[in-house]
Formats: sequence, C-alpha cells, structure tokens
Amino acid sequence: GAVVSQHPSRVICKSGTSVKIECRSLDFQATTMFWYRQFPKQSLMLMATSNEGSKATYEQGVEKDKFLINHASLTLSTLTVTSAHPEDSSFYICSARAGTSMAVNTEAFFGQGTRLTVV
Amino acid sequence: AQKITQTQPGMFVQEKEAVTLDCTYDTSDQSYGLFWYKQPSSGEMIFLIYQGSYDEQNATEGRYSLNFQKARKSANLVISASQLGDSAMYFCAMREGLRGSNYKLTFGKGTLLTVNP
Repeated sequence: GAVVSQHPSRVICKSGTSVKIECRSLDFQATTMFWYRQFPKQSLMLMATSNEGSKATYEQGVEKDKFLINHASLTLSTLTVTSAHPEDSSFYICSARAGTSMAVNTEAFFGQGTRLTVV
Repeated sequence: AQKITQTQPGMFVQEKEAVTLDCTYDTSDQSYGLFWYKQPSSGEMIFLIYQGSYDEQNATEGRYSLNFQKARKSANLVISASQLGDSAMYFCAMREGLRGSNYKLTFGKGTLLTVNP
C-alpha cells in the first residue's frame, strides 16, 4: 500500500510552547488528509479534514485556533499545537487518501503517529 | 447512538486457533464501506480488510476474513490460525456516503486481542 510518513514520532515540549507535526504522503498525491487524536486505550477521534489549498474543516469541539492545520502541497499537511498544555498530551495520527476519487471503497493510509507529551 | 460498536474490550485466543472480533454498525446510507485496522503497541494503524456495502461476497485477505451480515448490520473480523504477532488493538471503522461526499472514517472503541502461546 501507499506510504504515509509522520514526523516526529515522539515529542516532549514545555507548557506554553508550540509543536508542529508533519504528515507526508511519500509515493502518492494526497488531496485530502485527516488528523486524528487518540487518548490512551481509546478510539481515534477525527479532529479535522485537510484539503490541499483550502482551509481545514474542523470537527465540532475542536479549537481551530489551537490546532492549526496547513495543507500547502499535495504531499504535506502539518498540524501545529499552539500554546500547548498538559491536557493536549495525546497520540496524534494522520491519514491520507490517494488520488481524487471519492469512491467509497478507497482506503485511507495512516502515518505512524506522534506521541505528544506536554510537561 | 454509536455508529460503530465493538462489544469486546478484550479477547484472548490460543496460538493457532481462530478468533472472531465483533463489530456492528449503524447507518441509514445505502452506500458505505467497512474497514478493519490493527494497531500494535507502536501505534501505527495497519489496514487489514475492506468490505463494501454492495459487495455480495465476504472479503478475505490471507488469514483475515470479514463476516458481513448486511441485514444484521454486522461486520465481524475472523482471524484464522492466530499468531503471537496478532496481539494488538483491532478497530472496526465505517465510511458513509455516496460518491463525492464526505470520506470520514468513524471508528469503534476497539478490541484488545491477546494471543497466548
């Protein structure tokens, strides 16, 4: 399957600082990327949908000013956690769709995830 | 109401035996897709198998098969000949909608599978 690379895999930052997480599609063009958050032993919760060249669509309850998403190219989307607090500590994982087809059976490829710890 | 329900928080299976992980879903759409992902302790999400709502046959991928019962809205994952490396969290997910509409995946809460030697 297609490869999605997410970086960094782990990051520890001080409270009040900002952290940027990158999600790259390595061998395909991803017109749409998705950002999920996963608390320990819980499911993945969609935070936002990122479309290349346009503003991200955020899910209800997700602060767009806190979780800045940029999808500047067909192979890169970034999530920036601004003014991080300990409660932002979580596992963040991105996924990307190959191509422009919106057929229901197109699978999404996931990055390796980023474990963020805010101290 | 939950769109994806996985009723088994944890499951145990002996190595080399088969195991079924349950998943039921709720949707009013006619066109939808059902997915199973494996998440080992490292955190990555590994795609296992896909079943489309219009697919008449159950999907199979190696040791994985999906027992799709549309009328009951269930999409159980069957893992045959379990291996120690199968120990992981397993998520059922659904994508709803017709062509050109929202692509979002909705995940269940997951089942932690432990394979015993």
